[in-house]
Amino acid sequence: DAMVIQNPRYQVTQFGKPVTLSCSQTLNHNVMYWYQQKSSQAPKLLFHYYDKDFNNEADTPDNFQSRRPNTSFCFLDIRSPGLGDAAMYLCATSRDEGNQPQHFGDGTRLSIL
Amino acid sequence: GENVEQHPSTLSVQEGDSAVIKCTYSDSASNYFPWYKQELGKGPQLIIDIRSNVGEKKDQRIAVTLNKTAKHFSLHITETQPEDSAVYFCAAIRNQGGKLIFGQGTELSVKP
Repeated sequence: DAMVIQNPRYQVTQFGKPVTLSCSQTLNHNVMYWYQQKSSQAPKLLFHYYDKDFNNEADTPDNFQSRRPNTSFCFLDIRSPGLGDAAMYLCATSRDEGNQPQHFGDGTRLSIL
Repeated sequence: GENVEQHPSTLSVQEGDSAVIKCTYSDSASNYFPWYKQELGKGPQLIIDIRSNVGEKKDQRIAVTLNKTAKHFSLHITETQPEDSAVYFCAAIRNQGGKLIFGQGTELSVKP
């Protein structure tokens, strides 16, 4: 059974039109992460939540924001998507921060028209 | 900054042969080293990991070795099967204040 679930699997939006991607987990983990993965590259960390504490990476554009209303759910909001934001967005969870296994969902493939 | 170098970028083997992927990390405080397998259109799947207090770990056809002194770690897959074909990522992380640092990935192709 899937433990980190991302919806939708595929999302198409228009240039500049806000879009929200969602992630849910059944592992009851404290930490939830959002990664961006472009073709033939490794995942790139955008930000993560430890419980309700938000931790942004220094090079994450302001266009990207996140919400975590409860332990199970986390959302990625892209306020004004540009063509360069087309990518696979991966959600992951871990029990704690640091040297803990991270478990990934199957991602949402975002296309920008 | 922290860096993980992974080689080779592509690897093609015949079914039944062994495959080896090597990684080198720069942060001497790294103490946890996971390996992920990513199939097309899916997320990375954790297949094996090793902590810095262990030199080798094995799980059926998959093994990982770690040389802390040289800051090298490697993934070994024996008796490869076509379903092993995927992109493999190594990664490293420290305990305090660290984030997962990925290698560049290795595209493994196992030919029947």
